[in-house]
Amino acid sequence: GQNIDQPTEMTATEGAIVQINCTYQTSGFNGLFWYQQHAGEAPTFLSYNVLDGLEEKGRFSSFLSRSKGYSYLLLKELQMKDSASYLCAVSLKGTGANNLFFGTGTRLTVIP
Amino acid sequence: EAGVTQSPTHLIKTRGQQATLRCSPISGHTSVYWYQQALGLGLQFLLWYDEGEERNRGNFPPRFSGRQFPNYSSELNVNALELEDSALYLCASSLAPSGQETQYFGPGTRLLVL
Repeated sequence: GQNIDQPTEMTATEGAIVQINCTYQTSGFNGLFWYQQHAGEAPTFLSYNVLDGLEEKGRFSSFLSRSKGYSYLLLKELQMKDSASYLCAVSLKGTGANNLFFGTGTRLTVIP
Repeated sequence: EAGVTQSPTHLIKTRGQQATLRCSPISGHTSVYWYQQALGLGLQFLLWYDEGEERNRGNFPPRFSGRQFPNYSSELNVNALELEDSALYLCASSLAPSGQETQYFGPGTRLLVL
């Protein structure tokens, strides 16, 4: 079966750094996505990792270790607007499969 | 460039009825995906269409079905609605499947079954 684990909730202070972890056990792994979803809105794409290592994109960075089944999303210089759910999703690649398998998401609350 | 669009934004039905949800992908995208996001749960994969064909489906009963039209827009049909079908239904689109394409999501249709 497929499984993705993320913390359910996190709280961090404006201006700080927060790391959201994601561990996965899936078959047919092809890459890992991070999406941001504000309450009542559609998920928006943040990052995609297919190779091991760190991908940096402005205030957001994402890391992947395929051998460990582990990823994290790093948010720097937190802003109030970063309060949202962060979804870790694995791109499954196998016979006929091309969908994303999502974790339940981590709800991040940024406090002043 | 227009993003993924979905209609209607909200839909209220009663148990046993049928619901039809619509999705228009980003121009140039041939793949459309449907996901269900029930309250407190993660996104659950429903269906994947590409070039008019159903390519894969998630672990949902057959009363969840759909199709993709020649212009790549898609329809999700849910028959014999049950209370637990109440959820946000998200459509996503991507370029032709290569294994590394990004899926872009629409705003969703919120279905409420009474």
